[in-house]
Amino acid sequence: AQKITQTQPGMFVQEKEAVTLDCTYDTSDPSYGLFWYKQPSSGEMIFLIYQGSYDQQNATEGRYSLNFQKARKSANLVISASQLGDSAMYFCAMREASGSARQLTFGSGTQLTVLP
Amino acid sequence: DTAVSQTPKYLVTQMGNDKSIKCEQNLGHDTMYWYKQDSKKFLKIMFSYNNKELIINETVPNRFSPKSPDKAHLNLHINSLELGDSAVYFCASSQVLAATNEKLFFGSGTQLSVL
Repeated sequence: AQKITQTQPGMFVQEKEAVTLDCTYDTSDPSYGLFWYKQPSSGEMIFLIYQGSYDQQNATEGRYSLNFQKARKSANLVISASQLGDSAMYFCAMREASGSARQLTFGSGTQLTVLP
Repeated sequence: DTAVSQTPKYLVTQMGNDKSIKCEQNLGHDTMYWYKQDSKKFLKIMFSYNNKELIINETVPNRFSPKSPDKAHLNLHINSLELGDSAVYFCASSQVLAATNEKLFFGSGTQLSVL
């Protein structure tokens, strides 16, 4: 079974608007961490934001915020005031405390295009 | 200074050849990884080393052999390259293995094309 599911292969958003990228996860481990990474067309992987399973508040980093709904097992990324430079592939990932070596497992990604 | 550097950035080679990709991190991290990103952009872990010891070895063919001469370096050697090996290979590092909040720092990737 997939541990991380990103159901939106592609998304479009108008410049300056907000956009939500969906991510659901599957784990029975009470302790885990959720991550979002950005991969622009140049190819590098850029860390954006982290949410811990025990964190009471949603994580925020500048224009990025994570809408963490633990009961629904969702960790959606919200990008406010989109900019052209936000056009990229976005990956949701999870690390569980248990399991072999606590590897970081990635979803299939969402390609975001910001329109001028 | 680049935190995680891998070379080469592009590698074009014939089927059957042997090639290596080098990775170095100057972050003082204990753990290093190799990930493979396929043509559909899916990222899958291949190997993980912690303090030069192999921790994760996913279902990767024996033709792939990682080597960690010290904890700052994790090289990937691939024997008898096949067409299906064409992908982007990412090296990454993290400070420690154990913590769930440890983010990965990635290299810029090596685009391998097997002809």
